[in-house]
Amino acid sequence: NAGVTQTPKFRVLKTGQSMTLLCAQDMNHEYMYWYRQDPGMGLRLIHYSVGEGTTAKGEVPDGYNVSRLKKQNFLLGLESAAPSQTSVYFCASSYSRLAKNIQYFGAGTRLSVL
Amino acid sequence: AQTVTQSQPEMSVQEAETVTLSCTYDTSENNYYLFWYKQPPSRQMILVIRQEAYKQQNATENRFSVNFQKAAKSFSLKISDSQLGDTAMYFCAFSQGGSEKLVFGKGTKLTVNP
Repeated sequence: NAGVTQTPKFRVLKTGQSMTLLCAQDMNHEYMYWYRQDPGMGLRLIHYSVGEGTTAKGEVPDGYNVSRLKKQNFLLGLESAAPSQTSVYFCASSYSRLAKNIQYFGAGTRLSVL
Repeated sequence: AQTVTQSQPEMSVQEAETVTLSCTYDTSENNYYLFWYKQPPSRQMILVIRQEAYKQQNATENRFSVNFQKAAKSFSLKISDSQLGDTAMYFCAFSQGGSEKLVFGKGTKLTVNP
């Protein structure tokens, strides 16, 4: 099994450009999450989804949108990228509620906004 | 709001020795979960160990064990017989029971020296 796969692995954007990060999981998990990791900080939750067709805001949702049209995919969109969004982005998934189930993480996407 | 504090930005240990990483947290809840995640240079986040707050017994997972002191709100990770492959960033994380959200500490960079 591939587990959690993130596409792309690296990306450089100019300020104002848009892009979509794709997360795919093949474990039939219900819950999916997007985090960002900045230097000297732990991961912070951007948005999450508790099932197909649902999304919810996390700790730092501003400037991002998400969609969960298919159970296996969770998309993170940046409509107008800003230098403050330079970060490493991680996707994760879990079978059901976090507290009782392990979160599986992707390998991350390193995004630079110039 | 819950917070997680890791007071040791960096630590080092000799191969085969034991090291303890510290973590404290702040919450007014009684039902919660604590986690230690490992992030090696590959960036992949890997769950090391998990502790349920209502369980008094400290969790263990092979060479990894925790010292959970609920009254002191302390959750330290002990790595026995350290191996070179243990070199990584270690993140302590907290989740309130029933919540989908993980709150991470800033991490401790552990280096295992040969």
